[in-house]
Amino acid sequence: DQQVKQNSPSLSVQEGRISILNCDYTNSMFDYFLWYKKYPAEGPTFLISISSIKDKNEDGRFTVFLNKSAKHLSLHIVPSQPGDSAVYFCAIKNSNSGYALNFGKGTSLLVTP
Amino acid sequence: NAGVMQNPRHLVRRRGQEARLRCSPMKGHSHVYWYRQLPEEGLKFMVYLQKENIIDESGMPKERFSAEFPKEGPSILRIQQVVRGDSAAYFCASSPGDTREKLFFGSGTQLSVL
Repeated sequence: DQQVKQNSPSLSVQEGRISILNCDYTNSMFDYFLWYKKYPAEGPTFLISISSIKDKNEDGRFTVFLNKSAKHLSLHIVPSQPGDSAVYFCAIKNSNSGYALNFGKGTSLLVTP
Repeated sequence: NAGVMQNPRHLVRRRGQEARLRCSPMKGHSHVYWYRQLPEEGLKFMVYLQKENIIDESGMPKERFSAEFPKEGPSILRIQQVVRGDSAAYFCASSPGDTREKLFFGSGTQLSVL
């Protein structure tokens, strides 16, 4: 039973364009949302997060949008760079229930020159 | 490098053997988490430990798996009598405290069971 879904296994974007990665969740009790980036043979590295009291958080080229009514989260990268090519995982938690981060299966982003 | 250190990077075991995976958290971090990633899957939470205490093991299989984080030394994830289905990447993460904070992950241990 997948509580966190990333329905696009892969995405290809041209350098300089916007990359939009999407994530849907089913549990309305989730209240903290993170994006991690993972290169091959490395562990995930934290990218950006947002709490349920906000609907947008921006950090440089990265912006996360949260639509609680739709239970939808998205990560925008603009402009995209070849070094952004990696697997992106959304990770979500319910701060009032346990300590687990619930990860999606990931979206593999390829930014082409 | 003061990051989360995991060893070994690769571990090969035959069915029925024991696997021991080690994790040293970032300096100053006293909270350790273990996650498992099966092929084509996302990371799945296994266990959360603080020094000498298991806080949440809701993701740990009931049999063959155990974890510890002693007062001195690294955290250990132990898998007894490994089976082929245990083949996965095992990631350790640490945090300084408040579980709302982001986790810092190690590079993982790739366990292969023959």
